[in-house]
Amino acid sequence: DAGVIQSPRHEVTEMGQEVTLRCKPISGHDYLFWYRQTMMRGLELLIYFNNNVPIDDSGMPEDRFSAKMPNASFSTLKIQPSEPRDSAVYFCASSRFGTAEAFFGQGTRLTVV
Amino acid sequence: ELKVEQNPLFLSMQEGKNYTIYCNYSTTSDRLYWYRQDPGKSLESLFVLLSNGAVKQEGRLMASLDTKARLSTLHITAAVHDLSATYFCAVDMYGNQFYFGTGTSLTVIP
Repeated sequence: DAGVIQSPRHEVTEMGQEVTLRCKPISGHDYLFWYRQTMMRGLELLIYFNNNVPIDDSGMPEDRFSAKMPNASFSTLKIQPSEPRDSAVYFCASSRFGTAEAFFGQGTRLTVV
Repeated sequence: ELKVEQNPLFLSMQEGKNYTIYCNYSTTSDRLYWYRQDPGKSLESLFVLLSNGAVKQEGRLMASLDTKARLSTLHITAAVHDLSATYFCAVDMYGNQFYFGTGTSLTVIP
């Protein structure tokens, strides 16, 4: 398996623009997680899905953030409108229930100017 | 609110020395994971600890879990430069909900 695949790897956008981050989890994994990593706040769990259904989105910072998982092989994290404080590395991870750890994608480095 | 705390946050050690990184967490859990992150890279799974008293070893790294004390340790033996990285512990709450510690940035000096 190719692992968790995220795109794009880097994104630079202007404040106010819409940003969409994409993730393809490992096949057969039924959990998908979105994390945000910053120097100040470390790794924050934003939202996670089980069998494509959002289970807990309490980590989503504001209504500007939304996430979807239309099928088992694809998820998006959207920020609209983006702000400079959204600049961070966004990681997607997936896991299979009962078999332990989450596997991480390479991350998307988002810069909002 | 779940808290996962690591110490130290920064660790600079000489090659050949031993040291331990500590991970304390504030809620009941019997699943704990250790990850490694190199600068600008993703997180790589190192150890999976699934029960009280679990001990796992890989090379110069050994991880253990004490669920009663809510404490996990990552012990480094005879450090080498290649171990320089940031190490995270993560606690699994409610099954498959991973909360990460603050991270320990390790630098091994020749």
